[in-house]
Amino acid sequence: SQKIEQNSEALNIQEGKTATLTCNYTNYSPAYLQWYRQDPGRGPVFLLLIRENEKEKRKERLKVTFDTTLKQSLFHITASQPADSATYLCALIGAGGFKTIFGAGTRLFVKA
Amino acid sequence: DGGITQSPKYLFRKEGQNVTLSCEQNLNHDAMYWYRQDPGQGLRLIYYSQIVNDFQKGDIAEGYSVSREKKESFPLTVTSAQKNPTAFYLCASRKEVTGNTIYFGEGSWLTVV
Repeated sequence: SQKIEQNSEALNIQEGKTATLTCNYTNYSPAYLQWYRQDPGRGPVFLLLIRENEKEKRKERLKVTFDTTLKQSLFHITASQPADSATYLCALIGAGGFKTIFGAGTRLFVKA
Repeated sequence: DGGITQSPKYLFRKEGQNVTLSCEQNLNHDAMYWYRQDPGQGLRLIYYSQIVNDFQKGDIAEGYSVSREKKESFPLTVTSAQKNPTAFYLCASRKEVTGNTIYFGEGSWLTVV
């Protein structure tokens, strides 16, 4: 069955450092991969989308890589700030464009 | 401002009772979705609708029902047949089906008492 794995353990980093979150998937060939941010008790908010034929995408302090051979995406936040503390969800979308599969998310804590 | 409004934010259900979660969007999106989120698990799709008067079961539809009488509205009923309804419920919408961003509401917490 299709499966997305994100590190279930929380990631704790110091302010100013780069946070790197991992998303691995199996039994799926996504056409798109998205990253969302979710704060406690709130709905997820879209951050970035990367297509299967793209290796890397950047937006301000955010960078996403997508390796379809390794079946992995890395999500980087550079110069991290305490306000970046949240849960980050990885989502895969198939070629048909409809069904979106979400990972359980990784909790990030940035210490001042 | 455009967005998705879910209500109520907190809801308590007694055993054997049906409850309905409201979801309204003013984004003019065609597709609407209901997800359930449990601690340590990814979002799981309950139902989705691509057009008015049409909806399809997702991965965990048992014990739930929906309607889509208007483009803006997609209410979810949690029936007494759902044995473990305590969860965080998220309504979402998307402009087009293919690849576009999903927009989420703020969620509704349902607790069985």
